[in-house]
Amino acid sequence: NAGVMQNPRHLVRRRGQEARLRCSPMKGHSHVYWYRQLPEEGLKFMVYLQKENIIDESGMPKERFSAEFPKEGPSILRIQQVVRGDSAAYFCASSLPTGSNGYTFGSGTRLTVV
Amino acid sequence: KNEVEQSPQNLTAQEGEFITINCSYSVGISALHWLQQHPGGGIVSLFMLSSGKKKHGRLIATINIQEKHSSLHITASHPRDSAVYICAVSVDKIIFGKGTRLHILP
Repeated sequence: NAGVMQNPRHLVRRRGQEARLRCSPMKGHSHVYWYRQLPEEGLKFMVYLQKENIIDESGMPKERFSAEFPKEGPSILRIQQVVRGDSAAYFCASSLPTGSNGYTFGSGTRLTVV
Repeated sequence: KNEVEQSPQNLTAQEGEFITINCSYSVGISALHWLQQHPGGGIVSLFMLSSGKKKHGRLIATINIQEKHSSLHITASHPRDSAVYICAVSVDKIIFGKGTRLHILP
């Protein structure tokens, strides 16, 4: 499968635990984007990364959320000390630089905080 | 006011009907995207447009850059077309509309 791979598909965490969401971009894509979809709401931009660089994190909550895209391996969205309000679907997309050839989306990770 | 507005929010139609979903935006864009999301499912990119019109099977997307407006049309609609259709624009990042929930009745 040459598409964007996200795992896990479903993740259940207790309040206070950490959640790690992984995204492997499409082969040849060097740019990764994370989006959050809260229940009954639209998609919201969180962060835009290229390898080893955060380009735009204007959509990231100020606390508990972080993202990285290391030189090797997938991009990771990390949520520390999860709360019920973090329950959402988290989607990753990848693109070539500038997104000029469009974006490819992953299937998402559905996080449930209990 | 949202930067990307879609209408209608919800649409129910009979199988075979011609469907139109509209998207208006208020910012300068480099491209516009139409996406499809099935319940509990991932997101599929249908079209990326910067001008004119694109067609893929029964789906047609048009964009008018001067009027900052795009439409997604579905011809001979089918129950399997039932999904949420999302308009998104590329600025320095992607800005999404809230989606149009389409339900096609058999």
